[in-house]
Amino acid sequence: GAVVSQHPSWVICKSGTSVKIECRSLDFQATTMFWYRQFPKQSLMLMATSNEGSKATYEQGVEKDKFLINHASLTLSTLTVTSAHPEDSSFYICSARDRTSGSGEQFFGPGTRLTVL
Amino acid sequence: GEDVEQSLFLSVREGDSSVINCTYTDSSSTYLYWYKQEPGAGLQLLTYIFSNMDMKQDQRLTVLLNKKDKHLSLRIADTQTGDSAIYFCAEIRNSGNTPLVFGKGTRLSVIA
Repeated sequence: GAVVSQHPSWVICKSGTSVKIECRSLDFQATTMFWYRQFPKQSLMLMATSNEGSKATYEQGVEKDKFLINHASLTLSTLTVTSAHPEDSSFYICSARDRTSGSGEQFFGPGTRLTVL
Repeated sequence: GEDVEQSLFLSVREGDSSVINCTYTDSSSTYLYWYKQEPGAGLQLLTYIFSNMDMKQDQRLTVLLNKKDKHLSLRIADTQTGDSAIYFCAEIRNSGNTPLVFGKGTRLSVIA
């Protein structure tokens, strides 16, 4: 149980294009999902907290107009990197919390590696 | 503050025990977690402990919590090469919408 999927697992795009990453909780409902970014050999950087049916809460320094987050259902959240540039190349990981869990753990997707040329 | 700190590297020989340490600052943390990340993958939840517990054991994994000192440790018995990964300690103050606060991760290298 508690499986989170991400699609695509990797993507290469040209500078200036937009890329959408999907995050799905496969066997549980997630009221809250989280989006992280990770640079090589570095820790996770929380980008935003996404709640189903409401606007995402972005961390300081994360451009909300560049990283569009939509959480339209209890099992799906999307992150769209708009007008991507080479500095946006990174490993993006989503995470979901089971709404029925009392212990608060987050379950992580396998990550999406974005390379912007 | 809500800092979670870990040492960055640990190297052990195959078959030995590994102990990964973590300190946190928020005394109101309700749960503390250990995650494992293998190269190119997401984070895998290994185990968690409720703040009113001192110890939790799950097969080769033993978690010790010293709430007074705000110190958490993960012991891996009979460490194998497949245990080589980055291990993240994390805490949460309460559930709901609050994201977990992660340490920077400890890179465990197992030498055959």
